[in-house]
Amino acid sequence: DTEVTQTPKHLVMGMTNKKSLKCEQHMGHRAMYWYKQKAKKPPELMFVYSYEKLSINESVPSRFSPECPNSSLLNLHLHALQPEDSALYLCASSQDRLEDEQFFGPGTRLTVL
Amino acid sequence: AQSVTQLGSHVSVSEGALVLLRCNYSSSVPPYLFWYVQYPNQGLQLLLKYTSAATLVKGINGFEAEFKKSETSFHLTKPSAHMSDAAEYFCAVRDYGGATNKLIFGTGTLLAVQP
Repeated sequence: DTEVTQTPKHLVMGMTNKKSLKCEQHMGHRAMYWYKQKAKKPPELMFVYSYEKLSINESVPSRFSPECPNSSLLNLHLHALQPEDSALYLCASSQDRLEDEQFFGPGTRLTVL
Repeated sequence: AQSVTQLGSHVSVSEGALVLLRCNYSSSVPPYLFWYVQYPNQGLQLLLKYTSAATLVKGINGFEAEFKKSETSFHLTKPSAHMSDAAEYFCAVRDYGGATNKLIFGTGTLLAVQP
């Protein structure tokens, strides 16, 4: 299985809502990532988990809260988002060697009203 | 710090023509370089990667890239474009800094293929 899955595919939420994005991989990868991608831009790294511990937080606002319950799962909890947070949210995973590529999921298209 | 520059945010070719997408890197250490493709409303898919084993790297869908240290380049080519190649292409370099799991992406090149 060489796939990263993400749910939901689409999400519409109000600024007062709480929602979560889910990511799963079964490739035995020990690093997992959250990216935010705006239209016509490259992905922007948000968080990195390495061996289930948060290793990178790219100064992301606290309204985004990541969680890694186990080595296969990655969640992104959303609360009190702003309309400018509307974007494609991508999850990725990889082994932890420098030469290893990241495998990306299909993304969750988030719209904040 | 590592960085990549993609020249040309938009490239248009005719079906059957050569595809050339440019990527130049900046790195003080031997780089690990990647090319990804992204179709509309999808995630990124790896086309190929350079890990110093060979300077000419062959990837999926008929793409290849040549690592040229003297030119600090890793351009992506395909001899004959197909309509299905229309997509966004990103060049990326591995960050050697303290956060060794980071990928530094270029700004992307949107490839259009004309019939």
